[in-house]
Amino acid sequence: KQEVTQIPAALSVPEGENLVLNCSFTDSAIYNLQWFRQDPGKGLTSLLLIQSSQREQTSGRLNASLDKSSGRSTLYIAASQPGDSATYLCAVKDSYGQNFVFGPGTRLSVLP
Amino acid sequence: SAVISQKPSRDICQRGTSLTIQCQVDSQVTMMFWYRQQPGQSLTLIATANQGSEATYESGFVIDKFPISRPNLTFSTLTVSNMSPEDSSIYLCSGTDSYEQYFGPGTRLTVT
Repeated sequence: KQEVTQIPAALSVPEGENLVLNCSFTDSAIYNLQWFRQDPGKGLTSLLLIQSSQREQTSGRLNASLDKSSGRSTLYIAASQPGDSATYLCAVKDSYGQNFVFGPGTRLSVLP
Repeated sequence: SAVISQKPSRDICQRGTSLTIQCQVDSQVTMMFWYRQQPGQSLTLIATANQGSEATYESGFVIDKFPISRPNLTFSTLTVSNMSPEDSSIYLCSGTDSYEQYFGPGTRLTVT
């Protein structure tokens, strides 16, 4: 059974810092991995999607990498801003199913 | 991509009553899912909504408590039956085009 973990559980940084969020999964037979952002009390917004054959994806200040063999993905946020404050979740889709398994999330606070 | 809407966005209900949440997708998706997110927790999959047939429930969730309908490819409902305070959560509808997963804004349910 696929299990997804995220480290750290919470992170507080001053504005302008570059930061890395980590996601690990136990079964490397994944179809893709998706990073989401969730603001308090809201739904999820998709940030980046990485296919199993890809190594990284970039969107603006965000860069996500995937190392399938080691079961890891990182989300890199450059020049963080207070508006980046949210919970970041990663989810993996298995190669043999339609379900997405979610990690517990990293709660990020960027201080002005 | 797909845009998903849900209603109601929030509700406060009394113990023992039922609430039906509606989910509408603006384009066809292959799969639709219902998730629950309890306060401070990550997402837990309740069930996969199957078009024209009974939903597929995850361990710990049963049809009598969470009846689900999906009469067509773009619409689904989730009913939370005989509610108790433990059912207070955000309920999220999701759809996938087998590539990426999209989420609705969520329904915040408080049971008193």
